[in-house]
Amino acid sequence: EAGVVQSPRYKIIEKKQPVAFWCNPISGHNTLYWYRQNLGQGPELLIRYENEEAVDDSQLPKDRFSAERLKGVDSTLKIQPAELGDSAVYLCASSKRGGADTQYFGPGTRLTVL
Amino acid sequence: AQKITQTQPGMFVQEKEAVTLDCTYDTSDPSYGLFWYKQPSSGEMIFLIYQGSYDQQNATEGRYSLNFQKARKSANLVISASQLGDSAMYFCAMTKLIWGAGTKLIIKP
Repeated sequence: EAGVVQSPRYKIIEKKQPVAFWCNPISGHNTLYWYRQNLGQGPELLIRYENEEAVDDSQLPKDRFSAERLKGVDSTLKIQPAELGDSAVYLCASSKRGGADTQYFGPGTRLTVL
Repeated sequence: AQKITQTQPGMFVQEKEAVTLDCTYDTSDPSYGLFWYKQPSSGEMIFLIYQGSYDQQNATEGRYSLNFQKARKSANLVISASQLGDSAMYFCAMTKLIWGAGTKLIIKP
């Protein structure tokens, strides 16, 4: 069974530029998560999807971040415009359902904003 | 407010020794779960073990066990017979998607 796929693995952009991250969850997993992980810290949830519905986006900076999960499968996270403080690793995870179900993570996208 | 606290920023342990990584939590929910994940230097987050708040026994998965003390709100991870490959960051997390800051474990040969 294929794991969670993320692309790109690395991205370097200048501030004020847009950037997008893509995630393909494990087949059959209804719940998808986007996290941001700053260096030396634990992951911080940005948004959680149940199928195609965003059910928890309270930590998503909506002035510059947007996300979508078309048809309840793949998801894209976008930042426009990027700021220096957005440099971090962006992790995507999926689980069969939310709650107590184990989350399986992708390798992450390391974003550097110059 | 929900919170996870991992008080050990870093630990050095001799190979083959057992190691305990601390995790305390704060929640008012009657039902919850606690996870431990390992993050090697490669960056991928790997699930290790899960404990439900109503589970009667402490969870075990191979060399990993969870010392769950509900009254003390602690869920410490125990790794028996540590190996060099155990060197990584370890995170404790709750089912409300709250994560601790992690503990960096380094196994010495």
